[in-house]
Amino acid sequence: QQQVKQSPQSLIVQKGGISIINCAYENTAFDYFPWYQQFPGKGPALLIAIRPDVSEKKEGRFTISFNKSAKQFSLHIMDSQPGDSATYFCAASDRTDKLIFGTGTRLQVFP
Amino acid sequence: DGGITQSPKYLFRKEGQNVTLSCEQNLNHDAMYWYRQDPGQGLRLIYYSQIVNDFQKGDIAEGYSVSREKKESFPLTVTSAQKNPTAFYLCASSRNSNQPQHFGDGTRLSIL
Repeated sequence: QQQVKQSPQSLIVQKGGISIINCAYENTAFDYFPWYQQFPGKGPALLIAIRPDVSEKKEGRFTISFNKSAKQFSLHIMDSQPGDSATYFCAASDRTDKLIFGTGTRLQVFP
Repeated sequence: DGGITQSPKYLFRKEGQNVTLSCEQNLNHDAMYWYRQDPGQGLRLIYYSQIVNDFQKGDIAEGYSVSREKKESFPLTVTSAQKNPTAFYLCASSRNSNQPQHFGDGTRLSIL
């Protein structure tokens, strides 16, 4: 019940295309859903986050869509660029201060 | 600049040896965390601390120990009891509960 399932494991997208990464959870107590971006040899950096009181949050080219009834949330990267090539992690937490991470998606954007 | 500093970037351990990974933050954050990252497994929580002189076990605490004597420092010791220590170790901090966690750039530990 504490797992966060992330898919796909890897994703290849053409420059200018849309990248979509999906996550699903079981624990209905989760109330905070961040996405992290990680480049090789670096720590993850917070990209965007959402709480369940909204169904969508957009920051620039990055959008989180949240479906509370389906217990799913997804990251959409519009107009994907080669510089977006990285590993993306979804995560979830309740008020226990512990983040549960998905297994990551390696995104490659080709010119 | 405010941030989280992990050192060293690379660390090698001999069999039967304890090693300590450093994590320092100057963000004035109350909470600090240690994660282990293995290929294909995401990040798993080792230990976390919400306040000085207090810490809790995460999901994979066996073979690890921590201390939190100062607000800005949260060192992790990988003991000889940890049989598979080769991994990328990440330290994070947050202002308090349920706030965004910010990560350092990690320490890669390998076995000689």
